[in-house]
Amino acid sequence: KAGVTQTPRYLIKTRGQQVTLSCSPISGHRSVSWYQQTPGQGLQFLFEYFSETQRNKGNFPGRFSGRQFSNSRSEMNVSTLELGDSALYLCASSLAGAQNTIYFGEGSWLTVV
Amino acid sequence: DQQVKQNSPSLSVQEGRISILNCDYTNSMFDYFLWYKKYPAEGPTFLISISSIKDKNEDGRFTVFLNKSAKHLSLHIVPSQPGDSAVYFCAAYLGSTLGRLYFGRGTQLTVWP
Repeated sequence: KAGVTQTPRYLIKTRGQQVTLSCSPISGHRSVSWYQQTPGQGLQFLFEYFSETQRNKGNFPGRFSGRQFSNSRSEMNVSTLELGDSALYLCASSLAGAQNTIYFGEGSWLTVV
Repeated sequence: DQQVKQNSPSLSVQEGRISILNCDYTNSMFDYFLWYKKYPAEGPTFLISISSIKDKNEDGRFTVFLNKSAKHLSLHIVPSQPGDSAVYFCAAYLGSTLGRLYFGRGTQLTVWP
């Protein structure tokens, strides 16, 4: 079956702009989470959605937001982009419930210039 | 606060030998642990997982050991192959924060012929 699909894969934005990234989870997975990977900070949790509700949130400023649709697809938005937002943004999905494997997409590579 | 730690940033092993990647954690409430393999600019690929109620899980060349009293887990790869060269991440999650993974900083494994 299809894995986690993220679009776009690569994008370049200018400081001050905003960006929206999309994620389609594995079919049947209702939990979608987002992570940011940078060389200096490693993999950091942004937020997690389940049944269109944000269940967990990491320690990121309010410029980072997300949402989940009724079909479990998710989007994340970053407004007023800063150079430091340049990173690989990863989406992951899993079945609801404990001790389930979390699967990642290929990521969206964002460069802010 | 880094709750999952991988203290060795790199490991170099000869092809055919055993690779042992280590991971320590501080939160005794973690109830599920996972190992991921990652190439640059790609998403992490799930390798193997272990529940906190077990002390060993094996899948082909990969075995994960969990020592709860020491809050330590390790990934053994036998035999190591050049294609195993990648960054390996240890991750954990709590049942109370489903969908949120706590990651270590990763260990770069290099398998040389």
